[in-house]
Amino acid sequence: QKEVEQNSGPLSVPEGAIASLNCTYSDRVSQSFFWYRQYSGKSPELIMSIYSNGDKEDGRFTAQLNKASQYVSLLIRDSQPSDSATYLCAVSSTDSWGKFQFGAGTQVVVTP
Amino acid sequence: DVKVTQSSRYLVKRTGEKVFLECVQDMDHENMFWYRQDPGLGLRLIYFSYDVKMKEKGDIPEGYSVSREKKERFSLILESASTNQTSMYLCASSYGIYNEQFFGPGTRLTVL
Repeated sequence: QKEVEQNSGPLSVPEGAIASLNCTYSDRVSQSFFWYRQYSGKSPELIMSIYSNGDKEDGRFTAQLNKASQYVSLLIRDSQPSDSATYLCAVSSTDSWGKFQFGAGTQVVVTP
Repeated sequence: DVKVTQSSRYLVKRTGEKVFLECVQDMDHENMFWYRQDPGLGLRLIYFSYDVKMKEKGDIPEGYSVSREKKERFSLILESASTNQTSMYLCASSYGIYNEQFFGPGTRLTVL
């Protein structure tokens, strides 16, 4: 059973601080990794995709991938109250026909 | 921008009714997906399609069927709705099987 694990939270972060979210996965042939943000009652919204080891930055968001250790992380710099949401990690493998494995999500609460 | 639309945001049906949920994407994406999302269970894949008239079972296909007669449209059918199918239903599409999935706004279905 392929698994994607995330801490459920809530992760409480002061406004302006860095939020650090982690995701581990079990399938060694995983090759595509995604972070989604989901506000309560809304659908998931793609924030970042990352395919190779290292860091990828987009605005206040940085995704970090380490395939050897089988984890992917998301950093949110200068956290804002509007960043309060659940963040889903998703992983796609070469043998999965495009099926994503989703983590259960980490709830982030940014406090003013 | 990718646009995925779903036919209804909220839907209330009676047990035993046949229910149609429609999804349309405007980006010429090959792949389309139907998920349901329930508290504590996360996102679960019901069916997906990687081409017109093609369909593949996901993790929880029981009680559902799908139809894809045109590339841009993917329908989810509940042949005889039951109360345990009360859920948030999310449609997604992607260009390649390892690429980002983009979600529609979701349909909150209640079966009474």
